Amino acid sequence: DAGVIQSPRHEVTEMGQEVTLRCKPISGHDYLFWYRQTMMRGLELLIYFNNNVPIDDSGMPEDRFSAKMPNASFSTLKIQPSEPRDSAVYFCASSSRDRGDGYTFGSGTRLTVV
Amino acid sequence: AQTVTQSQPEMSVQEAETVTLSCTYDTSESDYYLFWYKQPPSRQMILVIRQEAYKQQNATENRFSVNFQKAAKSFSLKISDSQLGDAAMYFCAYSAFWGKLIFGQGTTLQVKP
Repeated sequence: DAGVIQSPRHEVTEMGQEVTLRCKPISGHDYLFWYRQTMMRGLELLIYFNNNVPIDDSGMPEDRFSAKMPNASFSTLKIQPSEPRDSAVYFCASSSRDRGDGYTFGSGTRLTVV
Repeated sequence: AQTVTQSQPEMSVQEAETVTLSCTYDTSESDYYLFWYKQPPSRQMILVIRQEAYKQQNATENRFSVNFQKAAKSFSLKISDSQLGDAAMYFCAYSAFWGKLIFGQGTTLQVKP
Protein backbone atom coordinates (compact mmCIF):
# COMPACT_ATOMS: atom_id res chain seq x y z
CA ASP A 1 0.00 0.00 0.00
CA ALA A 2 1.27 3.48 -0.86
CA GLY A 3 0.16 4.85 2.48
CA VAL A 4 -1.84 8.03 2.99
CA ILE A 5 -1.25 10.36 0.08
CA GLN A 6 -1.55 14.12 0.44
CA SER A 7 -1.22 16.81 -2.17
CA PRO A 8 0.24 19.26 -2.67
CA ARG A 9 3.31 18.92 -0.46
CA HIS A 10 3.82 22.65 -0.40
CA GLU A 11 1.40 25.47 -1.15
CA VAL A 12 2.09 29.17 -1.21
CA THR A 13 -0.88 31.43 -1.78
CA GLU A 14 -1.90 35.02 -1.35
CA MET A 15 -4.25 36.17 1.36
CA GLY A 16 -7.85 35.96 0.22
CA GLN A 17 -7.32 33.10 -2.20
CA GLU A 18 -9.03 29.73 -1.96
CA VAL A 19 -6.86 26.79 -1.00
CA THR A 20 -7.76 23.12 -1.41
CA LEU A 21 -5.79 20.35 0.24
CA ARG A 22 -6.30 16.77 -0.84
CA CYS A 23 -5.99 13.40 0.82
CA LYS A 24 -6.25 9.78 -0.28
CA PRO A 25 -6.51 7.43 2.72
CA ILE A 26 -5.29 3.85 2.90
CA SER A 27 -7.68 1.51 1.15
CA GLY A 28 -9.95 -0.21 3.65
CA HIS A 29 -9.54 2.40 6.37
CA ASP A 30 -12.86 3.74 7.58
CA TYR A 31 -11.64 6.70 9.62
CA LEU A 32 -10.09 9.84 8.18
CA PHE A 33 -8.68 12.74 10.17
CA TRP A 34 -7.45 16.23 9.35
CA TYR A 35 -4.90 17.80 11.70
CA ARG A 36 -3.14 21.15 11.73
CA GLN A 37 0.30 21.61 13.22
CA THR A 38 1.75 24.95 14.31
CA MET A 39 4.53 25.89 16.71
CA MET A 40 2.12 27.74 18.97
CA ARG A 41 -0.73 25.23 19.15
CA GLY A 42 0.93 21.91 18.36
CA LEU A 43 -1.16 19.23 16.64
CA GLU A 44 -4.84 20.09 16.55
CA LEU A 45 -7.61 17.85 15.26
CA LEU A 46 -9.76 19.82 12.85
CA ILE A 47 -12.31 17.23 11.77
CA TYR A 48 -12.71 13.50 11.38
CA PHE A 49 -14.89 11.21 9.31
CA ASN A 50 -16.14 7.67 9.80
CA ASN A 51 -17.37 5.88 6.69
CA ASN A 52 -17.33 9.21 4.84
CA VAL A 53 -19.59 10.91 7.38
CA PRO A 54 -18.23 13.83 9.45
CA ILE A 55 -18.31 12.82 13.10
CA ASP A 56 -16.68 15.73 14.90
CA ASP A 57 -15.87 19.07 13.32
CA SER A 58 -15.53 21.00 16.57
CA GLY A 59 -11.89 21.71 15.80
CA MET A 60 -12.60 23.56 12.58
CA PRO A 61 -11.51 27.10 13.45
CA GLU A 62 -14.19 29.03 11.61
CA ASP A 63 -16.53 29.04 8.67
CA ARG A 64 -13.69 29.71 6.28
CA PHE A 65 -12.71 26.06 6.71
CA SER A 66 -14.69 23.21 5.18
CA ALA A 67 -13.97 19.53 4.62
CA LYS A 68 -15.62 16.90 2.48
CA MET A 69 -15.29 13.21 1.93
CA PRO A 70 -17.31 12.33 -1.18
CA ASN A 71 -16.13 8.71 -1.19
CA ALA A 72 -13.96 6.30 0.77
CA SER A 73 -10.83 7.14 -1.20
CA PHE A 74 -10.78 10.92 -1.25
CA SER A 75 -11.13 13.90 1.06
CA THR A 76 -10.55 17.63 0.73
CA LEU A 77 -9.94 20.44 3.18
CA LYS A 78 -10.76 23.86 1.79
CA ILE A 79 -9.94 27.29 3.15
CA GLN A 80 -11.78 30.21 1.61
CA PRO A 81 -10.67 32.94 1.95
CA SER A 82 -7.22 32.12 3.27
CA GLU A 83 -5.44 34.32 5.84
CA PRO A 84 -1.80 34.50 6.97
CA ARG A 85 -2.71 32.89 10.33
CA ASP A 86 -3.77 29.76 8.42
CA SER A 87 -0.11 29.10 7.62
CA ALA A 88 0.70 25.68 9.07
CA VAL A 89 1.35 22.07 8.19
CA TYR A 90 -1.86 20.18 7.53
CA PHE A 91 -1.86 16.43 8.02
CA CYS A 92 -4.32 13.84 6.90
CA ALA A 93 -4.42 10.48 8.69
CA SER A 94 -6.48 7.33 8.35
CA SER A 95 -7.18 4.30 10.49
CA SER A 96 -9.30 1.17 10.68
CA ARG A 97 -10.98 -0.01 13.84
CA ASP A 98 -11.76 -3.46 12.44
CA ARG A 99 -8.28 -4.04 11.12
CA GLY A 100 -6.72 -2.79 14.33
CA ASP A 101 -4.35 -0.62 12.33
CA GLY A 102 -2.77 2.30 14.02
CA TYR A 103 -3.22 5.79 12.71
CA THR A 104 -1.22 6.31 9.52
CA PHE A 105 -0.30 9.85 8.57
CA GLY A 106 0.35 11.41 5.21
CA SER A 107 3.46 13.48 4.66
CA GLY A 108 1.56 16.71 5.23
CA THR A 109 0.98 19.88 3.25
CA ARG A 110 2.93 22.96 4.29
CA LEU A 111 0.68 25.92 3.62
CA THR A 112 2.06 29.44 3.53
CA VAL A 113 -0.35 32.34 3.12
CA VAL A 114 1.35 35.63 2.28
CA ALA B 1 -12.26 15.86 28.37
CA GLN B 2 -9.26 13.74 27.62
CA THR B 3 -5.89 15.43 27.78
CA VAL B 4 -2.30 14.38 27.17
CA THR B 5 0.63 16.12 28.86
CA GLN B 6 4.32 15.92 28.02
CA SER B 7 6.19 17.92 30.63
CA GLN B 8 9.62 17.78 29.01
CA PRO B 9 9.85 20.20 26.06
CA GLU B 10 13.44 19.11 25.36
CA MET B 11 15.65 16.19 26.28
CA SER B 12 19.15 15.18 25.31
CA VAL B 13 21.00 11.89 25.44
CA GLN B 14 24.46 10.68 24.59
CA GLU B 15 24.70 8.25 21.71
CA ALA B 16 24.41 4.62 22.91
CA GLU B 17 22.85 5.71 26.21
CA THR B 18 19.26 5.28 27.40
CA VAL B 19 16.67 8.03 27.69
CA THR B 20 13.11 8.10 28.99
CA LEU B 21 10.43 10.47 27.76
CA SER B 22 7.47 11.13 30.05
CA CYS B 23 3.77 11.34 29.28
CA THR B 24 0.68 11.56 31.45
CA TYR B 25 -2.92 11.56 30.34
CA ASP B 26 -6.35 12.04 31.77
CA THR B 27 -9.41 10.00 30.85
CA SER B 28 -12.47 8.46 32.42
CA GLU B 29 -12.48 5.60 29.93
CA SER B 30 -11.37 2.12 30.98
CA ASP B 31 -10.35 0.96 27.53
CA TYR B 32 -8.24 3.05 25.20
CA TYR B 33 -5.04 3.14 23.19
CA LEU B 34 -1.82 5.01 23.73
CA PHE B 35 0.82 5.78 21.12
CA TRP B 36 4.22 7.30 20.69
CA TYR B 37 4.93 9.00 17.38
CA LYS B 38 8.25 10.25 16.08
CA GLN B 39 8.49 13.32 13.86
CA PRO B 40 11.93 13.87 12.32
CA PRO B 41 12.82 17.07 10.45
CA SER B 42 11.22 15.55 7.34
CA ARG B 43 7.93 16.14 9.28
CA GLN B 44 6.64 12.65 8.57
CA MET B 45 4.70 11.25 11.55
CA ILE B 46 6.05 7.78 12.26
CA LEU B 47 4.40 5.36 14.67
CA VAL B 48 6.98 4.15 17.19
CA ILE B 49 4.95 2.00 19.55
CA ARG B 50 1.38 1.33 20.60
CA GLN B 51 -0.15 0.15 23.88
CA GLU B 52 -3.65 -1.14 24.48
CA ALA B 53 -4.93 -0.21 27.91
CA TYR B 54 -6.46 -3.60 28.66
CA LYS B 55 -3.10 -5.31 28.21
CA GLN B 56 -0.99 -5.51 31.35
CA GLN B 57 2.23 -6.22 29.50
CA ASN B 58 4.29 -3.25 28.41
CA ALA B 59 4.77 -2.95 24.65
CA THR B 60 8.24 -3.32 23.16
CA GLU B 61 9.56 -2.64 19.68
CA ASN B 62 13.28 -3.35 19.34
CA ARG B 63 15.09 -0.55 21.21
CA PHE B 64 11.83 1.18 22.17
CA SER B 65 9.76 0.13 25.17
CA VAL B 66 7.09 1.72 27.30
CA ASN B 67 6.32 1.82 30.99
CA PHE B 68 2.54 1.86 31.18
CA GLN B 69 1.10 2.63 34.60
CA LYS B 70 -2.68 2.61 34.15
CA ALA B 71 -3.60 3.63 37.68
CA ALA B 72 -1.19 6.54 37.57
CA LYS B 73 -2.21 7.36 33.98
CA SER B 74 1.41 7.43 32.96
CA PHE B 75 2.93 6.24 29.68
CA SER B 76 6.66 6.79 29.33
CA LEU B 77 8.88 5.82 26.40
CA LYS B 78 12.32 4.36 26.93
CA ILE B 79 14.84 4.45 24.11
CA SER B 80 17.81 2.15 24.63
CA ASP B 81 21.14 2.36 22.83
CA SER B 82 20.22 5.76 21.40
CA GLN B 83 21.27 6.43 17.84
CA LEU B 84 21.77 9.68 15.95
CA GLY B 85 18.74 8.81 13.85
CA ASP B 86 16.55 8.88 16.96
CA ALA B 87 16.85 12.68 17.10
CA ALA B 88 13.35 14.01 16.48
CA MET B 89 10.24 15.40 18.10
CA TYR B 90 8.33 12.69 19.98
CA PHE B 91 4.59 12.89 20.56
CA CYS B 92 2.53 10.91 23.02
CA ALA B 93 -1.05 10.36 21.90
CA TYR B 94 -4.31 8.88 23.20
CA SER B 95 -7.42 7.54 21.55
CA ALA B 96 -10.56 5.75 22.69
CA PHE B 97 -12.35 3.33 20.39
CA TRP B 98 -10.31 4.46 17.36
CA GLY B 99 -11.91 7.86 17.50
CA LYS B 100 -9.96 11.06 17.55
CA LEU B 101 -6.28 10.89 18.40
CA ILE B 102 -5.28 13.46 21.00
CA PHE B 103 -1.65 14.57 21.11
CA GLY B 104 0.62 15.94 23.78
CA GLN B 105 2.76 19.00 23.17
CA GLY B 106 5.79 17.00 22.10
CA THR B 107 9.35 16.47 23.36
CA THR B 108 12.34 17.36 21.23
CA LEU B 109 15.05 14.75 21.62
CA GLN B 110 18.65 15.63 20.86
CA VAL B 111 21.20 12.83 20.48
CA LYS B 112 24.80 13.84 21.07
CA PRO B 113 27.60 11.94 19.31
